[in-house]
Amino acid sequence: DTAVSQTPKYLVTQMGNDKSIKCEQNLGHDTMYWYKQDSKKFLKIMFSYNNKELIINETVPNRFSPKSPDKAHLNLHINSLELGDSAVYFCASSQDSARTQYFGPGTRLLVL
Amino acid sequence: GDSVTQMEGPVTLSEEAFLTINCTYTATGYPSLFWYVQYPGEGLQLLLKATKADDKGSNKGFEATYRKETTSFHLEKGSVQVSDSAVYFCALSANQAGTALIFGKGTTLSVSS
Repeated sequence: DTAVSQTPKYLVTQMGNDKSIKCEQNLGHDTMYWYKQDSKKFLKIMFSYNNKELIINETVPNRFSPKSPDKAHLNLHINSLELGDSAVYFCASSQDSARTQYFGPGTRLLVL
Repeated sequence: GDSVTQMEGPVTLSEEAFLTINCTYTATGYPSLFWYVQYPGEGLQLLLKATKADDKGSNKGFEATYRKETTSFHLEKGSVQVSDSAVYFCALSANQAGTALIFGKGTTLSVSS
């Protein structure tokens, strides 16, 4: 009965590869987010979707593409991975009226 | 733009010591304020929140009061435990639908027995 889940938890890959991270929430929330946490633990928003519609798209390389097949899912696809993409990626969700965001366990991406 | 500033760590305390982690913010309007905690190797957990001035959020012995006059939301705990060792993040959310959280840089707390 995990509220926000992400797969995989760990991802080790070579430079130039393409990879996807999946996120699912069973809270019935209508907004989902992707955040990136760098090596200094700083957290920054990348994207957010409300009812499958993109509403926040921060300055992120075009190699990153979010996709929301339905309200409960938000996936992140990354093309041509670079060393600098190594980070922890967190998915979160919220019900707009409440503002509070609930986070998944994170996906630790290491690009070699 | 909106921003959050929190004290740099690491903060090192002995068990049962008093904890304060300072957090100040800059925002237009009336944001909601949050403290999240990240235990080693884990995700972010909501610790407490406050949505309007003078609200006090509390959870697990931690508390923070939303002070609009000083634009602050300092985290306090009267007696820390070893299990409180973690990274603590102060964050704000503007009062608009679907807005992102803006985080401070995080403060690492280490509690020894």
